[in-house]
Amino acid sequence: KAGVTQTPRYLIKTRGQQVTLSCSPISGHRSVSWYQQTPGQGLQFLFEYFSETQRNKGNFPGRFSGRQFSNSRSEMNVSTLELGDSALYLCASSRVGTGGNTIYFGEGSWLTVV
Amino acid sequence: EDKVVQSPLSLVVHEGDTVTLNCSYEVTNFRSLLWYKQEKKAPTFLFMLTSSGIEKKSGRLSSILDKKELFSILNITATQTGDSAVYLCAVGGETSGSRLTFGEGTQLTVNP
Repeated sequence: KAGVTQTPRYLIKTRGQQVTLSCSPISGHRSVSWYQQTPGQGLQFLFEYFSETQRNKGNFPGRFSGRQFSNSRSEMNVSTLELGDSALYLCASSRVGTGGNTIYFGEGSWLTVV
Repeated sequence: EDKVVQSPLSLVVHEGDTVTLNCSYEVTNFRSLLWYKQEKKAPTFLFMLTSSGIEKKSGRLSSILDKKELFSILNITATQTGDSAVYLCAVGGETSGSRLTFGEGTQLTVNP
């Protein structure tokens, strides 16, 4: 069974640009959540999508957005990139999306903003 | 606001040692506590705990939850160099969907 797949794995962008990251959850999983991981802040929750609806949102500015498609695949977008957006962006999926379900992570997308 | 505190933040041991990693938490309407192992890539799932006092085991790793004291431990016996990683503790609440709050992690280094 394939795991959570994220693309691209590595990317470099310039300040002011925008970026779109993609995530394919484990087959049968309907909840997709996104996290940002940096050395200083650790793993921080960005948002969660379930059945194409955003169900939870973390404390990030509006430049961070996401969406989920009918096949449960998800994308997140960061506009007007800042140097501080350099991070590992992790996508996670779970079957139903309640607190009692195991949550599995993808390999992540390493974003460097220069 | 949900909060997870892990200790120690860093630990260096020799192969064969036994280690205990700690995780304390505060969460609204607790539903589950999860442990992950992270090397230089994505976190790998280890355990999910929802009930107090029931030990989960997988090989040399085990974990237990104390919901009264809001605490969990992760034990690793007979450590190996391959156990070197950051161990992350996270909690989820009943009403928070798949949202997890993570601790800072414990950096474990196992020397030969």
